[in-house]
Amino acid sequence: GAVVSQHPSWVICKSGTSVKIECRSLDFQATTMFWYRQFPKQSLMLMATSNEGSKATYEQGVEKDKFLINHASLTLSTLTVTSAHPEDSSFYICSARAGDREETQYFGPGTRLLVL
Amino acid sequence: AQSVTQPDIHITVSEGASLELRCNYSYGATPYLFWYVQSPGQGLQLLLKYFSGDTLVQGIKGFEAEFKRSQSSFNLRKPSVHWSDAAEYFCAVIGSTLGRLYFGRGTQLTVWP
Repeated sequence: GAVVSQHPSWVICKSGTSVKIECRSLDFQATTMFWYRQFPKQSLMLMATSNEGSKATYEQGVEKDKFLINHASLTLSTLTVTSAHPEDSSFYICSARAGDREETQYFGPGTRLLVL
Repeated sequence: AQSVTQPDIHITVSEGASLELRCNYSYGATPYLFWYVQSPGQGLQLLLKYFSGDTLVQGIKGFEAEFKRSQSSFNLRKPSVHWSDAAEYFCAVIGSTLGRLYFGRGTQLTVWP
């Protein structure tokens, strides 16, 4: 149980285009999902927290107009990197939490983004 | 503020040897503590967690961790390491805001055959 998927697993795009990454909880309903960014050989950096049906809460320094997050259902959250640039290249990982009383986060397999 | 310290960036052990990965946390209340493992290019897999109760918790893949409040520690152990255990290990603590996880910087484990 508690499986989280991400799609795509990797993507290459041209500078200036937008890329959408999907995060799905497959066998549970996720009231809260989190989006992280991870640089090589570093820990995870929280970008934003999204609750189903409400606006995402972004961490300080994360551009909300650059990284659009939508959590339209209890099993799906999307991260859209708008007008991507090479510095946006990174490993993006989502996680999901089953409920307000459930503290454990289950992570997706990650999405590798390369912007040329 | 919450924080997690993993003092060892890289640890190398021989296959079959015992392992202990250190983790210290800073949090004012009773912490929720986690250990995750990450293989290259993969997401994070939950190894074990501590919320309350018995301070020695058992996890998957033969791992265990002990919560020591007096030392603010939550060290991960395994009595006999396998080559497949080579990976990055992250200790994390739940903060008080929206269930946010605070991660340590990670410990890279290399296993010699």
